[in-house]
Amino acid sequence: TQLLEQSPQFLSIQEGENLTVYCNSSSVFSSLQWYRQEPGEGPVLLVTVVTGGEVKKLKRLTFQFGDARKDSSLHITAAQPGDTGLYLCAGNTGGFKTIFGAGTRLFVKA
Amino acid sequence: EPEVTQTPSHQVTQMGQEVILRCVPISNHLYFYWYRQILGQKVEFLVSFYNNEISEKSEIFDDQFSVERPDGSNFTLKIRSTKLEDSAMYFCASSELGPTNTGELFFGEGSRLTVL
Repeated sequence: TQLLEQSPQFLSIQEGENLTVYCNSSSVFSSLQWYRQEPGEGPVLLVTVVTGGEVKKLKRLTFQFGDARKDSSLHITAAQPGDTGLYLCAGNTGGFKTIFGAGTRLFVKA
Repeated sequence: EPEVTQTPSHQVTQMGQEVILRCVPISNHLYFYWYRQILGQKVEFLVSFYNNEISEKSEIFDDQFSVERPDGSNFTLKIRSTKLEDSAMYFCASSELGPTNTGELFFGEGSRLTVL
C-alpha cells in the first residue's frame, strides 16, 4: 500500500515566523504535488515537482523534492495569516491514481 | 479562468437510495477523477476515467459505484444504494494530461453527501 506521511499534523505559529512541513513515503514517485485546501472547498494546486533534488519557489513558499523522489518539503518564509490552511502533498507512482497525504493544518496568528 | 463545476453542492438522502453526483470538467481536459473526503480524513482516490472508460479504481469503488460520461461535457458518479458510511464530500477533478505526464489535478468545490 502506498502511503504519504505528512508531518507535523498541526502547526500553530506567529505571523513572521518560518516553518517547514514534510511529506515522506517509502515509495518512489514519478511526480509529487502540493495542494492547499480551505474548509468546505476542493484542493487547489500549488506546485508540481518531478525531478529528484528539484527546488521550486512560489513567492514565500519553497518546495523541494528529495533526491530519491520519495519525500518532499514545503518551507514558508515569514508566514502570514493568509497562509492559514490545510497543506496536502499528493503523489503518483506511475498509474492513473494520485494519492494524498493526510495534510498539515497550519494556523498563523496575527 | 476555467473551472470544474459540481452539482449539487449538498445532498441529503435516505440510506438505500440512489444518488447521482454531477460534474462538468474543464473543457479541454481528457482525464477525469472522483475523490472523496470523509469529514476530518484524507482525500481518497475513487476512480479515474479516460477515453470513455475506467482507467483505474480503488477498493472503495465497489459494485455500488459507477461513473459515466453521458455527453461531451458531464461526468457523473452514481451510488446505487447509499450506506451511512458513504457520507462524505465528493470531489470531481480533471486534468489535461495523464498522471504520468505530471497531469495536474483541478478540483471542483465538491458535493457534500449526507446519508441518513
